[in-house]
Amino acid sequence: GEDVEQSLFLSVREGDSSVINCTYTDSSSTYLYWYKQEPGAGLQLLTYIFSNMDMKQDQRLTVLLNKKDKHLSLRIADTQTGDSAIYFCAEESEAGTALIFGKGTTLSVSS
Amino acid sequence: DTEVTQTPKHLVMGMTNKKSLKCEQHMGHRAMYWYKQKAKKPPELMFVYSYEKLSINESVPSRFSPECPNSSLLNLHLHALQPEDSALYLCASSQRVGGMNTEAFFGQGTRLTVV
Repeated sequence: GEDVEQSLFLSVREGDSSVINCTYTDSSSTYLYWYKQEPGAGLQLLTYIFSNMDMKQDQRLTVLLNKKDKHLSLRIADTQTGDSAIYFCAEESEAGTALIFGKGTTLSVSS
Repeated sequence: DTEVTQTPKHLVMGMTNKKSLKCEQHMGHRAMYWYKQKAKKPPELMFVYSYEKLSINESVPSRFSPECPNSSLLNLHLHALQPEDSALYLCASSQRVGGMNTEAFFGQGTRLTVV
């Protein structure tokens, strides 16, 4: 079945780069997504990558996709305290009807 | 406007109450979703509406009843809930279900507490 795995916690210092990793199982996923969730809030779409791309950069965010290994990563450059949140990796379900989320990585940024 | 608006933000209800959660989007999206998120867990899909018709029900108990009155609105009617139904209920929308460009936008959620 479909499954998305993430490491649960990451702790970095302000100004450092953060790298959040994700592995997924469904090789037919057309898009892969990163969502951010701050405490008590809904999900904010950060970025997404089309499956035929290797990399996508959007300001401080860089997404790398290794389709052979089914590995996705999100790099946040110059991490700020406001980046502290839970980050969810998500892939489309096999039928393309909804999103399958990973368990989420809690990013903690210390000053 | 890339906003999905959910009301209320917080809801406390007794097990014998009937209440409704509301969701609205004006992006012209034709797919709308209800997800349930327990604390420290990822969102789990409950229902999918495509062109105002229910297309997926992920074996959700009948005490949750979705409704899509028009292409901009999605409701979730609640009746006889249990304390374990307490969670954050998230609404989302996307241009359509499946195919290209299915990025979903989420509302801020309704935090439901059943007492």
